[in-house]
Amino acid sequence: EAQVTQNPRYLITVTGKKLTVTCSQNMNHEYMSWYRQDPGLGLRQIYYSMNVEVTDKGDVPEGYKVSRKEKRNFPLILESPSPNQTSLYFCASSYDRDWSYNSPLHFGNGTRLTVT
Amino acid sequence: QKEVEQNSGPLSVPEGAIASLNCTYSDRGSQSFFWYRQYSGKSPELIMFIYSNGDKEDGRFTAQLNKASQYVSLLIRDSQPSDSATYLCAVRDRDDKIIFGKGTRLHILP
Repeated sequence: EAQVTQNPRYLITVTGKKLTVTCSQNMNHEYMSWYRQDPGLGLRQIYYSMNVEVTDKGDVPEGYKVSRKEKRNFPLILESPSPNQTSLYFCASSYDRDWSYNSPLHFGNGTRLTVT
Repeated sequence: QKEVEQNSGPLSVPEGAIASLNCTYSDRGSQSFFWYRQYSGKSPELIMFIYSNGDKEDGRFTAQLNKASQYVSLLIRDSQPSDSATYLCAVRDRDDKIIFGKGTRLHILP
């Protein structure tokens, strides 16, 4: 089954304790992205990657890191989480190899992160 | 700053009626347009995409695009309680970046 898999689904942690949220897709998609979703603010892009070893900042990259060493994986790293990073996080991927205008985003099931 | 604007709602529509959701975008060079549905606490799921001016129909859903007015809409015919959700408009801009609106909450009244 074609899907984007995020883990964990729920995570409660404390300020300053490094954490990684994993994301993997099995659709051979070139493009991957991380979003956070907060009430009243909608989906905001954190980082995205157009291909292996290519990553770019989105709208709210501060406090986050990403890597794209393989096409299928795009982990989100919080080196020193803070309470303002409490949010619902989504990983998404899309097939954009030929700059298809109609390639939608496929979303993972989300990770609800709470930082105390 | 490129923007995608939606009325936050909630938009309340009686069951069986037509729900009309609207979205405007700022980048005139935007290439394609998507509607996603999101149930509370769940991930967004794609309902429709459109890239040419005019209407595109899929079942009870119709997407309408007017590039001159920078306006895209989603019509839901014969609204059902299961249509109650937040609807996100997304736009792929000229730089191939996908920008989301904040969503419109739709509530179908039984």
